[in-house]
Amino acid sequence: GIQVEQSPPDLILQEGANSTLRCNFSDSVNNLQWFHQNPWGQLINLFYIPSGTKQNGRLSATTVATERYSLLYISSSQTTDSGVYFCAISTGGGNKLTFGTGTQLKVEL
Amino acid sequence: GAGVSQSPSNKVTEKGKDVELRCDPISGHTALYWYRQSLGQGLEFLIYFQGNSAPDKSGLPSDRFSAERTGGSVSTLTIQRTQQEDSAVYLCASSLSGTGPDTQYFGPGTRLTVL
Repeated sequence: GIQVEQSPPDLILQEGANSTLRCNFSDSVNNLQWFHQNPWGQLINLFYIPSGTKQNGRLSATTVATERYSLLYISSSQTTDSGVYFCAISTGGGNKLTFGTGTQLKVEL
Repeated sequence: GAGVSQSPSNKVTEKGKDVELRCDPISGHTALYWYRQSLGQGLEFLIYFQGNSAPDKSGLPSDRFSAERTGGSVSTLTIQRTQQEDSAVYLCASSLSGTGPDTQYFGPGTRLTVL
């Protein structure tokens, strides 16, 4: 089956620091999304990015589909960025998502 | 409503009882998905409805699980004869078309605890 690997599994940052989260996947994708799961469990959509680069404020993402990886960049991190970041992909004709195991991020003052 | 809504937010039940979980997708979205999140299995796909097509049930873990979507909108996930391993957060998502470039939006989830 499809494999989605995320790294690092855990990350602790000081407020204001930058970070890069990585997602490797084993197959060509027709859908790739990054999500932030906040401490209350809500999954918040960050990016729909099966290829290319997008930016939204302090966050940006790049997917290199030919090399089967995606990167999520967080700049000037804030305590509200804490939570788990998931990468999820779908392949083939349907859009059911396969999730990675996530990166647990904690931003400290 | 503005987003995907789910009810109840929490459900505690006894082993062997049946439960029903409800999902209201974003208005106008034709695709609806159920996932669950548990400590041991992470986030996993359960079932997918798209328009009037037959649902993709490939992720349902056993025949105790079923789901329906009435009128192309609201969906109900039913778990019969609940077991302790069914304890998890059940998440519903919807998307505009379900095919091609398409973003899924998630509801807040229903936390199910089976005693």
